[in-house]
Amino acid sequence: DGGITQSPKYLFRKEGQNVTLSCEQNLNHDAMYWYRQDPGQGLRLIYYSQIVNDFQKGDIAEGYSVSREKKESFPLTVTSAQKNPTAFYLCASSISGTENFTFGSGTRLTVV
Amino acid sequence: RKEVEQDPGPFNVPEGATVAFNCTYSNSASQSFFWYRQDCRKEPKLLMSVYSSGNEDGRFTAQLNRASQYISLLIRDSKLSDSATYLCVVRGGGGGNKLTFGTGTQLKVEL
Repeated sequence: DGGITQSPKYLFRKEGQNVTLSCEQNLNHDAMYWYRQDPGQGLRLIYYSQIVNDFQKGDIAEGYSVSREKKESFPLTVTSAQKNPTAFYLCASSISGTENFTFGSGTRLTVV
Repeated sequence: RKEVEQDPGPFNVPEGATVAFNCTYSNSASQSFFWYRQDCRKEPKLLMSVYSSGNEDGRFTAQLNRASQYISLLIRDSKLSDSATYLCVVRGGGGGNKLTFGTGTQLKVEL
């Protein structure tokens, strides 16, 4: 079955450490996205990529980095520069130019 | 002003009630509109697209008013299983294909 997989589901990190969240899709979608969700704030776009080896900043990119070396994979690194990293992180993918978005099941990151 | 605004709720309604959610968006160039449903601690899932002529899917009716930049969702004969957060989502308007989400409206259907 095609889908989008995020791992891990729950992640705990010590303050000051970088951590990378995985997102893999086998839907052959060109575009991939990372969103962050905080209570009462809805989803906010961190980074997106419409094609391999290219990506753009979203609305809240500071303190995050991404790479898109393969079509299937769009990992997100939460760096120590991100001041409030505790949140629910959602990865999504779509066929470019369409509105058919598929979300992963999310990674809940907690900084301790 | 937020790009997409929704009343956060919660809306606590009895089973069988009709409930309406509203949403406004600020970018008049927005191209596509959706309602997503999100269950607690889960990912959002597409409930329905919203078309200018209005559209219906079973107990759910969505409407769009481009002049007022306003989107609505009506749920008739609400079920316990409708309890969730409903997200108003807008695509396009200078931002490419990316989606902009409202903060969501929480619905609790009770016996």
